[in-house]
Order: sequence, then C-alpha cells, then structure tokens
Amino acid sequence: GAVVSQHPSRVICKSGTSVKIECRSLDFQATTMFWYRQFPKKSLMLMATSNEGSKATYEQGVEKDKFLINHASLTLSTLTVTSAHPEDSSFYICSAKDRSRINYGYTFGSGTRLTVV
Amino acid sequence: SQKIEQNSEALNIQEGKTATLTCNYTNYSPAYLQWYRQDPGRGPVFLLLIRENEKEKRKERLKVTFDTTLKQSLFHITASQPADSATYLCAPGGGNTPLVFGKGTRLSVIA
Repeated sequence: GAVVSQHPSRVICKSGTSVKIECRSLDFQATTMFWYRQFPKKSLMLMATSNEGSKATYEQGVEKDKFLINHASLTLSTLTVTSAHPEDSSFYICSAKDRSRINYGYTFGSGTRLTVV
Repeated sequence: SQKIEQNSEALNIQEGKTATLTCNYTNYSPAYLQWYRQDPGRGPVFLLLIRENEKEKRKERLKVTFDTTLKQSLFHITASQPADSATYLCAPGGGNTPLVFGKGTRLSVIA
C-alpha cells in the first residue's frame, strides 16, 4: 500500500522547452503532495507544497512561474519546468502521505532525472 | 531557523557490526521524527517513525531512539550487511507538513 508513481523517470530536453513531470498516488488520495529537487550528493531540497484544488505554496527562492504546479485531482500533481535551462538539470522527487496509515511516514516517487541540453 | 545535523557525511563499518547514525536538530519541537533510506538515483524509502512520547522503536534489525531533551535521534542497524549500504536521512516532523531533511549519512558496509 501507499504507492506513489512518478513519470517520466528520465527526460532530456532542449533549452527553452518545457517539461512536465507527473506524480500519482496509486492507492490512496492525497490532498497534499510535496515536490523536492536534489543535486548530486546533496540532500533533498523542498521546492513546494502542492494542494489539491488550490494554489501551490512555494519555498523561498523557488520561482513559481518557472516551476508550475498543478494539483487537479486527489491523486495527481504535476510539476512543469518552463523554459528549461541547463541549470534546471536535477533530480526531481515528489512525495505524499497516506493519512489512513498511522505511524507511517511519507511515500516518495522514484524520481525524475531531468537533463537540459 | 530550523537546523538538522547528521553526525557524519559518510560512515564505513564492517559487516556484522552495528551501525549507529546520529541526527541532531535545533529550533524544532517535532512531535515525530522519521528515518528514510535513499539509494542512488532513487527516491527515499520510509523506514521508521518515532513519536515524542516514545523512547525507542524497533523494526527487525533497525532501532531508533528519540531524546527530546537532547534534541537527538539515534538510528541503529544491527548485524549490518552490505545490502544496508545506502544514504540514511532523518527528518523531524510529520503530520501532513512537508518534511525537511538532514544532509544524510552515506553508510558503507564492507564485507
């Protein structure tokens, strides 16, 4: 139980294009999902909190117009990296919590490796 | 601001020994503390959650302690195996608030 599916696992795109990453909770509903990015050998950095039916909450320093988040249903949040540049290349990971599971933590997707060329 | 420190960036131990990882936090009073394992190129995987009113929690070869006075959690892996080699992350907090992670400790278990 508590499975989060993230797609795609890898993507290479050209500078200036946009890339959409999907995060789905497969067997539970998630009114809130979280998006992180991770640089090599660094810890996860929280980017934003995705809220179903309302605007996402972005962490300080994260450009909301650059990283568009949409949480249109109870099982799907998307992160769109707009006008991507090489410095956006990173590992992006989403997570969610199945509130019905007590004494259980958060479930993470398997991550998306974005390379902008 | 909230700060999380994990004792060392890397830890090497011999197979069969007990690995002990430390997580210290400041400017927090979390009701929970969580530990995760992350393998290269993968998302973190939840291991254990301990509440502030619990001193210790165990799961198979894993044991976690939580000292709210010291603001510290210890994570132990007993009878360590090479398959335990990974990065271990601690995250004070829970509920439905976003987790903020420490930098992690990269554990290498040497056969």
